[in-house]
Amino acid sequence: GEDVEQSLFLSVREGDSSVINCTYTDSSSTYLYWYKQEPGAGLQLLTYIFSNMDMKQDQRLTVLLNKKDKHLSLRIADTQTGDSAIYFCAESIGGGNNRKLIWGLGTSLAVNP
Amino acid sequence: EPEVTQTPSHQVTQMGQEVILRCVPISNHLYFYWYRQILGQKVEFLVSFYNNEISEKSEIFDDQFSVERPDGSNFTLKIRSTKLEDSAMYFCASSLLPAFEAFFGQGTRLTVV
Repeated sequence: GEDVEQSLFLSVREGDSSVINCTYTDSSSTYLYWYKQEPGAGLQLLTYIFSNMDMKQDQRLTVLLNKKDKHLSLRIADTQTGDSAIYFCAESIGGGNNRKLIWGLGTSLAVNP
Repeated sequence: EPEVTQTPSHQVTQMGQEVILRCVPISNHLYFYWYRQILGQKVEFLVSFYNNEISEKSEIFDDQFSVERPDGSNFTLKIRSTKLEDSAMYFCASSLLPAFEAFFGQGTRLTVV
């Protein structure tokens, strides 16, 4: 069945770049998403990439997609303490009105001053 | 910025009791979802709702669960007879297109004792 995998933890120093990786299994995914969850908060949509794209840049965020390897990454440039959160990778699967999101377990990013 | 709101933020209930989790989706959105996250596990799809009917439901969404959009603004999830294993964070989401740029609420933490 469909599955999304992520590494569980990442620790970086403030000002460094963070790279969070994700692999997925469903090659028919149309969109792949990154969501952020801060402590006590909901799931905030950060960015997404369409499956026919290789890269998308949005301010400090860069999403890279390797469709052949089914590998997605999120790079956060100049990581700040406010970026400390859990980052979820999710793929959109299904067709028509039956699309839904399949989620990874989330990567907990700790930013050290 | 428009947002999805969920109430209550935390609900404690006794096993066997009925609970209703409430959500107010973004007003012009057409697709509505419930997901849940059991502590330490992945976010799981429960059900999608479009045009006043269920589009798709997961295996988790058995006869104990039901959804309703009673008044054109609220979207509710009812669990008829709660079990201990229903304890989880329940997230409501809405989107303009199927599972595209879905916005999530802050979640309702349900604790069944």
